[in-house]
Amino acid sequence: KNEVEQSPQNLTAQEGEFITINCSYSVGISALHWLQQHPGGGIVSLFMLSSGKKKHGRLIATINIQEKHSSLHITASHPRDSAVYICAVAFHYGGSQGNLIFGKGTKLSVKP
Amino acid sequence: DGGITQSPKYLFRKEGQNVTLSCEQNLNHDAMYWYRQDPGQGLRLIYYSQIVNDFQKGDIAEGYSVSREKKESFPLTVTSAQKNPTAFYLCASSTDRVNEQFFGPGTRLTVL
Repeated sequence: KNEVEQSPQNLTAQEGEFITINCSYSVGISALHWLQQHPGGGIVSLFMLSSGKKKHGRLIATINIQEKHSSLHITASHPRDSAVYICAVAFHYGGSQGNLIFGKGTKLSVKP
Repeated sequence: DGGITQSPKYLFRKEGQNVTLSCEQNLNHDAMYWYRQDPGQGLRLIYYSQIVNDFQKGDIAEGYSVSREKKESFPLTVTSAQKNPTAFYLCASSTDRVNEQFFGPGTRLTVL
């Protein structure tokens, strides 16, 4: 079964802290996505990557294909970063080939 | 502004009634998707369409139906056969299946 595991499930941080959210998956993938879901429910795509590292503002996403692992980092966190962060992957093989499989999300709360 | 719209944001229906959720995009995207989100679970794919007049079942298609008569529109009907329809429904689109997906704001359906 193709699975996506995220950790931690919940994360509370103080403003200014460096934050890391992890995502592990079980088999070969063609791409990995990081998404942000705000309390109202809307989802925004942050990154799509298949190798290496991408950076956008205070957000950095990395992926290690050999270890089947990705991390999302937030530098100098701010209360407006409070949201649910979701990892999703497109697997190469299996019944879900090509479709995105989503992790359960990491709920981040940044306190002022 | 280009984007995806879903209406309404909140929808209430009586048990046994069919209900149709709207999804419209003006991004000129070929591919469109419907996902369901339940508390504590990752998003799950209901149906997707790669091109007009074509659509495929996702992982949890039972009790749902779709149509894709126009490129811009991908309505989802939740039928009375869906045993547990109360959920948050998200529509998404992308240029094709391998690229970044853009999400709508979602519709929260409650069946009474």
